Amino acid sequence: DADVTQTPRNRITKTGKRIMLECSQTKGHDRMYWYRQDPGLGLRLIYYSFDVKDINKGEISDGYSVSRQAQAKFSLSLESAIPNQTALYFCATGELAGAADTQYFGPGTRLTVL
Amino acid sequence: EDKVVQSPLSLVVHEGDTVTLNCSYEVTNFRSLLWYKQEKKAPTFLFMLTSSGIEKKSGRLSSILDKKELSSILNITATQTGDSAIYLCAVAGGTSYGKLTFGQGTILTVHP
Repeated sequence: DADVTQTPRNRITKTGKRIMLECSQTKGHDRMYWYRQDPGLGLRLIYYSFDVKDINKGEISDGYSVSRQAQAKFSLSLESAIPNQTALYFCATGELAGAADTQYFGPGTRLTVL
Repeated sequence: EDKVVQSPLSLVVHEGDTVTLNCSYEVTNFRSLLWYKQEKKAPTFLFMLTSSGIEKKSGRLSSILDKKELSSILNITATQTGDSAIYLCAVAGGTSYGKLTFGQGTILTVHP
């Protein structure tokens, strides 16, 4: 079984709709992250969380919100989707100590906003 | 603002060639540099480098960090079609522990 899972894997929606992307992990890591990937721009950080009570904005948080429901679950919401949020979204996890900089990625969610 | 730049942005080679991918960075309080390989979907971890001049090696892949030049290279020898992927460089640093800044990625295509 995969250590980091994301649902859905693909989603097509319309402008103005509310969308939630979910991430679950069995790695036991405290840190969780949401990124988006656009061609030629690499991965850009949307939000990150270092524990259940800690939520932080990344470089491109506008238009997004997150919820850390448990250590293992971190969801990303688009309150009112717009076409330029069409992208590949990745959830990632990381340890709090040890090799603390290494992050492990889920399989991604391809979101298309029409 | 932390910045990571990779070059080239894309590269096409034939099987058996050796390639060198570059990553340069500007980051405050540098801690580590990481390389990832992204095929089809999720990036998978290759190397983490923290010390200058020490080569990390895994099979045909190797990487080294130069803190003086604020850069790293990833070498792939005797390339195979299975090496075709996007190679991502990321840097950890700054004031917020656990955050990574990614470069744009290098798209490597290996033809038979």
